[in-house]
Amino acid sequence: DQQVKQNSPSLSVQEGRISILNCDYTNSMFDYFLWYKKYPAEGPTFLISISSIKDKNEDGRFTVFLNKSAKHLSLHIVPSQPGDSAVYFCAARSNNNDMRFGAGTRLTVKP
Amino acid sequence: DAGITQSPRHKVTETGTPVTLRCHQTENHRYMYWYRQDPGHGLRLIHYSYGVKDTDKGEVSDGYSVSRSKTEDFLLTLESATSSQTSVYFCAISEVGGGTDTQYFGPGTRLTVL
Repeated sequence: DQQVKQNSPSLSVQEGRISILNCDYTNSMFDYFLWYKKYPAEGPTFLISISSIKDKNEDGRFTVFLNKSAKHLSLHIVPSQPGDSAVYFCAARSNNNDMRFGAGTRLTVKP
Repeated sequence: DAGITQSPRHKVTETGTPVTLRCHQTENHRYMYWYRQDPGHGLRLIHYSYGVKDTDKGEVSDGYSVSRSKTEDFLLTLESATSSQTSVYFCAISEVGGGTDTQYFGPGTRLTVL
């Protein structure tokens, strides 16, 4: 029962272009959403988050968009850099601290 | 970076043997978590702790037990390891749990059960 889904296992983008990573969820009780970035042999590192009361949150090159009616969120990276190449996990949490993760999307940014 | 260490970082063991993984934090955070990461599943919560001696089950708790006798240490035990428990295990910590709280992860332990 995967309540958070990242349907694209991989994404390849040219350096300088926009990367768009997508995430869908099924549980309407989720009210806080996070993106984590993971390099090989390291733990996930927190990237950006958004509360359900907002539809957009921006931090430098990273912007997360939330569409509650569609139960969909996306992470935009502009401009993409080779150092952004990593696995990105979407996570969603309800108020009982039950956090669920997607399976991840491997982003490759080509120079 | 949050001060989280995990030991061992790599372990190979045989089916049926007990295994204990340790998570140590220097941030004095109240909440600690154990996750496993498997291809196609992302991270799944095994157990978590909301204080010393206070623990609760997560999504995939069968076959695992935990203990927290000090704020800084959270132990994950596989009483009798099985091949299905071959995985990468991550510890995480957070200050308050829930709400807009953020979890910070350790470097992981790669466990192979033969």
